[in-house]
Amino acid sequence: TAGITQAPTSQILAAGRSMTLRCTQDMRHNAMYWYRQDLGLGLRLIHYSNTAGTTGKGEVPDGYSVSRANTDDFPLTLASAVPSQTSVYFCASSDSLGVDTQYFGPGTRLTVL
Amino acid sequence: RKEVEQDPGPFNVPEGATVAFNCTYSNSASQSFFWYRQDCRKEPKLLMSVYSSGNEDGRFTAQLNRASQYISLLIRDSKLSDSATYLCVVNIGPLDSSASKIIFGSGTRLSIRP
Repeated sequence: TAGITQAPTSQILAAGRSMTLRCTQDMRHNAMYWYRQDLGLGLRLIHYSNTAGTTGKGEVPDGYSVSRANTDDFPLTLASAVPSQTSVYFCASSDSLGVDTQYFGPGTRLTVL
Repeated sequence: RKEVEQDPGPFNVPEGATVAFNCTYSNSASQSFFWYRQDCRKEPKLLMSVYSSGNEDGRFTAQLNRASQYISLLIRDSKLSDSATYLCVVNIGPLDSSASKIIFGSGTRLSIRP
């Protein structure tokens, strides 16, 4: 079972460019999440989705957007990247929102120059 | 004060030792608690949930102290393979309410030496 996959693995992006980070899960989980992890700050929640068709803002949503057209996919878009968005991005999913075990993808390492 | 705080470590202990670390949280409305393990440059993986009565899984014991607002993780008979960063996670209510949050601690680094 693939579980949860992310693409790309890493990316170098020029400031001002847009980019979509992809996330797909095959566990039929209802909830999905996007986090960023920065040294010394831990993981911070960017956006989440309770079920297909619904999304919500996490702790650090500015500069990011998400969509949840179906159960499996939860892409994260940076409309106009800035250097402060350099980070490692993790997608996760869980059966129920917030209270169940979260399963994480392998991460996308993004550098914005 | 951070909402969830962990001693960053590193804790450097010999194989076979017992090691414990805590995670404090500031919001008394916190409802769910977890310990995750993260290896270098890898994704976090659930180690164990933390229940009110405390719970044990092999060499690992997790406890919750609501009065003092902290959770703890105890590792007995530590193995080289236990070397990792341990993240505590606190869920403050359901995410779709205005008062909800999922907060990850910044992690405690543990290094087991032979």
